[in-house]
Amino acid sequence: QSVLTQPPSASGTPGQRVTISCSGSSSNIGSNYVYWYQQLPGTAPKLLIYRNNQRPSGVPDRFSGSKSGTSASLAISGLRSEDEADYYCAAWDDSLSAYVVFGGGTKLTVL
Amino acid sequence: EVQLVESGGGLVQPGGSLRLSCAASGFTFSSYDMHWVRQATGKGLEWVSAIGTAGDTYYPGSVKGRFTISRENAKNSLYLQMNSLRAGDTAVYYCARDLTDWGQGTLVTVSS
Repeated sequence: QSVLTQPPSASGTPGQRVTISCSGSSSNIGSNYVYWYQQLPGTAPKLLIYRNNQRPSGVPDRFSGSKSGTSASLAISGLRSEDEADYYCAAWDDSLSAYVVFGGGTKLTVL
Repeated sequence: EVQLVESGGGLVQPGGSLRLSCAASGFTFSSYDMHWVRQATGKGLEWVSAIGTAGDTYYPGSVKGRFTISRENAKNSLYLQMNSLRAGDTAVYYCARDLTDWGQGTLVTVSS
């Protein structure tokens, strides 16, 4: 069971806007930055969002991140078929049990 | 261009040991925290360990006391010594720079 909670699945049609949530606690999301990753089948995770809402160079502005309290969200607008992938959130955790925690991942299906 | 190339994975019996390596290039290795993250087949990502620029190390409870992360800045290399391996340690192991750039991973299979 993951420390950060994500919905196991999400879906949308091409052109739609989809959001994926990530829920944590005061020791992780509540007090640290949130990161989002995209993982295409058979490949390594790719950083999409860092420091809650910053995009690395090369990541389309269709992807955006936000954070409020102990929750965060990833929004994908103008959904494309190539966005079909697994998405993970992550955050540093200030508790003694872990240093970095991940969400369980959300499988995004483009219908 | 940042490159991270893992090696050292393979098949090992339960209770055995394995040492993973990660060769880094394209950046000043000594200036970055480095991590190991693993992923069992069909499962999510699990953070395994981290090492800071000063050599400080961090582990989750699931591997603490069994795994040791280290770095050799002169060789731009990151290592993960894994002892007392269990079936549950079977996964693809990724090294990552500051959790921003990731390697392609190396598969570790623990089985008799």
